[in-house]
Amino acid sequence: ETGVTQSPTHLIKTRGQQVTLRCSSQSGHNTVSWYQQALGQGPQFIFQYYREEENGRGNFPPRFSGLQFPNYSSELNVNALELDDSALYLCASSLELAKETQYFGPGTRLLVL
Amino acid sequence: DAKTTQPNSMESNEEEPVHLPCNHSTISGTDYIHWYRQLPSQGPEYVIHGLTSNVNNRMASLAIAEDRKSSTLILHRATLRDAAVYYCILRSRGTSYGKLTFGQGTILTVHP
Repeated sequence: ETGVTQSPTHLIKTRGQQVTLRCSSQSGHNTVSWYQQALGQGPQFIFQYYREEENGRGNFPPRFSGLQFPNYSSELNVNALELDDSALYLCASSLELAKETQYFGPGTRLLVL
Repeated sequence: DAKTTQPNSMESNEEEPVHLPCNHSTISGTDYIHWYRQLPSQGPEYVIHGLTSNVNNRMASLAIAEDRKSSTLILHRATLRDAAVYYCILRSRGTSYGKLTFGQGTILTVHP
């Protein structure tokens, strides 16, 4: 069974640019959530997708957007990057909505200069 | 979301038991208590969860106070690989989406 994978592992961008991060869910999982983790902090919920529809959003501006594809892989897009967007971005998948266990990927480390 | 309070850090020696406390005085009757941990340079990992009764699995035990206002994650024999940040999270039963609200967590250091 393949776990959650994310790409790229590291990324450097400059302020104002746009970035796309990718996530492949664990096999059979139709729900994916994205989290942002600043250095020294716990992860913060960005949004969740269930069967290709956004199904909940945290306190993040609209320049954070996402997609989920028919194979349940997912993308996180961030436009107009700001310095404070520098963080570890984590993707987590679960078998169904509100299932007890979320399985996290290793994350993508984004640095905005 | 109901809040949890955990100590910032704890230390343990290898092969000794570790008791990680969590206070959640505003817990509601439908809140499950979840524990995740995050090893260095990795994403969080599910450890255990419970509602009212104590729970055991291959990784740990979860002891829940009778009034449910606190709980304790128990690692029976700490190993160096257990050094991580441990998060205690409340999650409402029937939540329509899978948001996990992480706090600061407890940094566990395990000494050889």
